[in-house]
Amino acid sequence: NAGVTQTPKFQVLKTGQSMTLQCAQDMNHEYMSWYRQDPGMGLRLIHYSVGAGITDQGEVPNGYNVSRSTTEDFPLRLLSAAPSQTSVYFCASSPLGRNYGYTFGSGTRLTVV
Amino acid sequence: AQSVTQLDSHVSVSEGTPVLLRCNYSSSYSPSLFWYVQHPNKGLQLLLKYTSAATLVKGINGFEAEFKKSETSFHLTKPSAHMSDAAEYFCVVSSLSNTGNQFYFGTGTSLTVIP
Repeated sequence: NAGVTQTPKFQVLKTGQSMTLQCAQDMNHEYMSWYRQDPGMGLRLIHYSVGAGITDQGEVPNGYNVSRSTTEDFPLRLLSAAPSQTSVYFCASSPLGRNYGYTFGSGTRLTVV
Repeated sequence: AQSVTQLDSHVSVSEGTPVLLRCNYSSSYSPSLFWYVQHPNKGLQLLLKYTSAATLVKGINGFEAEFKKSETSFHLTKPSAHMSDAAEYFCVVSSLSNTGNQFYFGTGTSLTVIP
């Protein structure tokens, strides 16, 4: 029972490089989301999806793309990395419905130099 | 509109003394409320949740929270702090919109446990 799996755990990028953060869940959850966590700012929603083929923007979507081709996978793409994107990124999933809590991945710590 | 306010950004307690982490919420209708814990360099783990059943909710590791509608509060408590409780705690309110789940996070409370 893996839950939510994020890869990689750590990454260093140079400004302008692109990369994809991977997120996979094996719980058949419809809802998946990406957050970034920065000191003093809590968790901020980047993008979310309510099912395969459906994505929407959260609070801080600029500079990020997502797609949801399967129920299991929800990758986050950084198009052209900037130092302001240095953060810890969390993927989370839940069944649809407000009574269900999130299951979080263990996070990806990204540094952009 | 939904929102969450965690009233203390930092709380320090001595080992063996009670823990109180305060959370107030704002919700247009009956909310679902959650507390999550995040240990250093780890992901977030669900501690407990309120979903309109019993107002006193028991969670893992001896934590519990009481939903008080009249006070719009969902404070987290534990009778006796343990060193392993030192972590960041997040209060979350959930709603269901026409675009799916919406979760609103508080900014977190850092709990320090003094030996």
